[in-house]
Amino acid sequence: NAGVTQTPKFRVLKTGQSMTLLCAQDMNHEYMYWYRQDPGMGLRLIHYSVGEGTTAKGEVPDGYNVSRLKKQNFLLGLESAAPSQTSVYFCASSYSGTGFNSPLHFGNGTRLTVT
Amino acid sequence: QQQVKQSPQSLIVQKGGISIINCAYENTAFDYFPWYQQFPGKGPALLIAIRPDVSEKKEGRFTISFNKSAKQFSLHIMDSQPGDSATYFCAANTNAGKSTFGDGTTLTVKP
Repeated sequence: NAGVTQTPKFRVLKTGQSMTLLCAQDMNHEYMYWYRQDPGMGLRLIHYSVGEGTTAKGEVPDGYNVSRLKKQNFLLGLESAAPSQTSVYFCASSYSGTGFNSPLHFGNGTRLTVT
Repeated sequence: QQQVKQSPQSLIVQKGGISIINCAYENTAFDYFPWYQQFPGKGPALLIAIRPDVSEKKEGRFTISFNKSAKQFSLHIMDSQPGDSATYFCAANTNAGKSTFGDGTTLTVKP
């Protein structure tokens, strides 16, 4: 049981380049999330999805797009990377929202550097 | 506006000591308060969680204390071990499907 798998693990981009981060979960969870983690700033929500075909903006959505075409996959896209997007990106999933008995399950992150 | 404030930012404790991490929140709509533990190179993982209708929850060496009137909650790690060295995040959730995280506390337990 792999849980939440993120690819790639590391990536270096030049300013203006684009890329897509892939998140896959095998737990049949309805909700999926993308967070970024920066030193001293905790985890900030970028976008999330409450089910296949749905997406919604989180706390810091600018410069990112997402898609949830299949229930098990949640893609995060950067159309024109900027140095401010240098961060560690975490995908998470949960069975149904974030209530009791529905904790977040995180992947191991993608470390992105934009030069 | 930071909705969940966590302190301290870093903490050094001797082996066998008690580690205490504090969080305060503002939004009274929060109804679930989990703590996550993160080791270097890994994603956060649920450690322990509490609902606001109880004042304390204990799981092994880990205890959450919750003060609803003060809108504060804390994590206590008893008999801290070097293997507990990690970053700890408190979070506050609503049932609408989003978590708000504190900024994290890096705990170092010295042998």
